[in-house]
Amino acid sequence: DAGITQSPRHKVTETGTPVTLRCHQTENHRYMYWYRQDPGHGLRLIHYSYGVKDTDKGEVSDGYSVSRSKTEDFLLTLESATSSQTSVYFCAISEAPGRSNTGELFFGEGSRLTVL
Amino acid sequence: SQQGEEDPQALSIQEGENATMNCSYKTSINNLQWYRQNSGRGLVHLILIRSNEREKHSGRLRVTLDTSKKSSSLLITASRAADTASYFCATDPFIGNQFYFGTGTSLTVIP
Repeated sequence: DAGITQSPRHKVTETGTPVTLRCHQTENHRYMYWYRQDPGHGLRLIHYSYGVKDTDKGEVSDGYSVSRSKTEDFLLTLESATSSQTSVYFCAISEAPGRSNTGELFFGEGSRLTVL
Repeated sequence: SQQGEEDPQALSIQEGENATMNCSYKTSINNLQWYRQNSGRGLVHLILIRSNEREKHSGRLRVTLDTSKKSSSLLITASRAADTASYFCATDPFIGNQFYFGTGTSLTVIP
């Protein structure tokens, strides 16, 4: 199994509080992704990173920020959590999407966030 | 949204039967992948088919790809109760570094 660890795995917080989710990988993969999964929507990309300090927005990036100061860590921050951000968050890694190799995604086990 | 869509949303079959699920997508792609998700777990990669391939097999899995129709199908033959899970397609678009996932098919295999 790919070495991906998400923390925390479960978190309950209140509206307006900041929340940071951490994704740690031991595979030295270049690409890292944060997805959220909600019933009826499948997985939607929040942000992704293609290298240290290199990040870009996904389709549902509003209200989220990310940082990647080391290859192995990708942080997702909710500056002021809202109830609409209650979701399951998945981190994924890929060596290189498409073209030069398989681009297979390896997923963490998810972080369940509840915003009251 | 650039998400794809799976069809059907839910599928219930008897053990030993074949299960077929379909995926439609919107953009030109490099490849299309299928993933499986057991309840409460992360997604696991099943199979990848490249845009220049039309069919691919892996064990009991058979994937087809029709780029002219922007669609793919996943066939699981001789299903088992352990195949009960949600199945997602994901596209790696020709432009960009993002993967777009479909909304998933929930498969229940009844023993």
